[in-house]
Amino acid sequence: EVQLVQSGAEVKKPGESLKISCKGSGYSFTSYWIGWVRQMPGKGLEWMGIIYPGDSDTRYSPSFQGQVTISADKSISTAYLQWSSLKASDTAMYYCARGARAVADFDYWGQGTLVTVSS
Amino acid sequence: QSALTQPASVSGSPGQSITISCTGTSSDVGGYNYVSWYQQHPGKAPKLMIYEVSNRPSGVPDRFSGSKSGNTASLTISGLQAEDEADYYCSSYTSSSTVVFGGGTKLTVL
Repeated sequence: EVQLVQSGAEVKKPGESLKISCKGSGYSFTSYWIGWVRQMPGKGLEWMGIIYPGDSDTRYSPSFQGQVTISADKSISTAYLQWSSLKASDTAMYYCARGARAVADFDYWGQGTLVTVSS
Repeated sequence: QSALTQPASVSGSPGQSITISCTGTSSDVGGYNYVSWYQQHPGKAPKLMIYEVSNRPSGVPDRFSGSKSGNTASLTISGLQAEDEADYYCSSYTSSSTVVFGGGTKLTVL
């Protein structure tokens, strides 16, 4: 069974750093893209970026380029999303998802990680 | 890249059909047959309902169908059921080798 299990909810202060994770199981982790999607409170889905764990090829939405870093450790089948300096506007639910057909669509989703940034 | 344009809300009665539109540009919807549709119930992760414009993943009822004409894609749900009430999002591959989502449409089953 394909599963993506994300790390737990986080409460951080502005300016702090953060790295959240997404562990894949039940499939060949290095053969599928893993993407990240933001959903701010009461708002829609936003595609942030995607990584191919097999060779670490990474693509970012222009809206998120330079704001976050996406990485993966194929030895432990885990993808990461990190911030070096959080802002209050980063408060959101973050989902990881598996690229079903390259980067075009996501067939399996994690349960989401709620990130709250507040002073 | 700008978000794809969807109506904020649509509604229909049980048994009826509804259509949700998703308008982009020639750099996304119009340029590629990589339009997808997702269903999201409150507090849940999104679920893939349609991929590559009109294909249904295994397990998705055939009441859900997708199509595209020019820069506009559409999701049609026929035989509307109460459990179809949810938010629906379209997405498209883009000329920048990334993906963009639509703003989302809230479907209300009356």
